[in-house]
Order: sequence, then structure tokens, then C-alpha cells
Amino acid sequence: DAGITQSPRHKVTETGTPVTLRCHQTENHRYMYWYRQDPGHGLRLIHYSYGVKDTDKGEVSDGYSVSRSKTEDFLLTLESATSSQTSVYFCAIMRQAYGYTFGSGTRLTVV
Amino acid sequence: DQQVKQNSPSLSVQEGRISILNCDYTNSMFDYFLWYKKYPAEGPTFLISISSIKDKNEDGRFTVFLNKSAKHLSLHIVPSQPGDSAVYFCAASPGNQFYFGTGTSLTVIP
Repeated sequence: DAGITQSPRHKVTETGTPVTLRCHQTENHRYMYWYRQDPGHGLRLIHYSYGVKDTDKGEVSDGYSVSRSKTEDFLLTLESATSSQTSVYFCAIMRQAYGYTFGSGTRLTVV
Repeated sequence: DQQVKQNSPSLSVQEGRISILNCDYTNSMFDYFLWYKKYPAEGPTFLISISSIKDKNEDGRFTVFLNKSAKHLSLHIVPSQPGDSAVYFCAASPGNQFYFGTGTSLTVIP
């Protein structure tokens, strides 16, 4: 398939706990992205990376941090989860002419 | 502020007829546009793209039209099929990231 996987697929966590979502690619793409999808908001960019250790903020980055220590892995961390971070999270890689290829998503519920 | 807007949250069309999905954008720096299709519990998948140097791009049943002066693009699906029922997102890019609309849920009625 597209060579991009997300883990876990589903997670339920308690308010105030840290959570890390993982995105793994097998195709050596330079650019990787984390989006969240919410009803009425579409897909909104949280953070993106343009290389190992090179990251930048998106439009909804508050409460999130990212790390990219290897080309293939891009981690999204919620330092202290809140109910407003209940969402579906998508990782994406950038492909020329095709835009993004997305992972299958992680459904996160913060209770 | 939403730079890419899809003002119709939903659309229902009879099988065999044309589906027209619309998208407006505000940023004149956007030079590349895409449409994605999303089924429940799956990630969005690429459908069709258009660059700002064109005003039309066709791929089988799918055609995307771009009107730069109006900052408007549309996706035409002809003929519509029940398998086209999904949420459609338009996206626009000035360079290294894409901005997405809120999506239009298309239902094709058999």
C-alpha cells in the first residue's frame, strides 16, 4: 500500500495523562504531517516535519509536541491530554503530484 | 480563519446524474489544489489535482475546474455511482503544506 502506518488505531485515555501517537513510513519521504479531523472543522494541521529533527507548528499546535529522530518515524505527543483533544488523528507524507498520502488514522478518546 | 471553505456539508444525487462539489479559497498564494475522498474509518485518499496554470483537469468520471479570478474550484462526477458515496475534501497549497476544507458528504442514491 502507501507505506505509512499509524499506531495505535484506537486509544482511550484519561484526562491529564500523556499520550504518544506514532507514524511510521517506509518510503524515505522528507515531509511528514500530523492532522486532526473534527466535525465542522475538516482536517487541521497540528505539526509537520521537513527532516530529521526539523519540525514546525501548524494551526492547532497548542498542547501538542512532536519529534522526529529518524526519517521513518514521526511521533505526536499530547503532554497532558484534555477532552478537547478527543479526535481522529491522521499522519501524512508528501508525495509530488499527489499531495498527501494519509495513514489510516488513530481514534483518540480522552475521558 | 478558514482559508479553504466548502459551504455545503452534504449533497444527495441520484445514481447516473452529475454530482458537483464546490470549494472556495481566500489565499491568492495557493497554487496547487487537490480533492480527497474519505470513507468512514479510513484515511483520506487522493482523487484528482489541478495546478494554478490550468483551469480544468479530467480523470475518467472526475473533472476538477479551477476559476482563479473567483478563487473557486469544483469537482464534477459524471455519472455518479453509489460507490462514490463518501466525504470529499478539497485542499489547497502554497508550497509545503495543504489547507483543507470542512468536507462535503456525498450520498449517491441508487
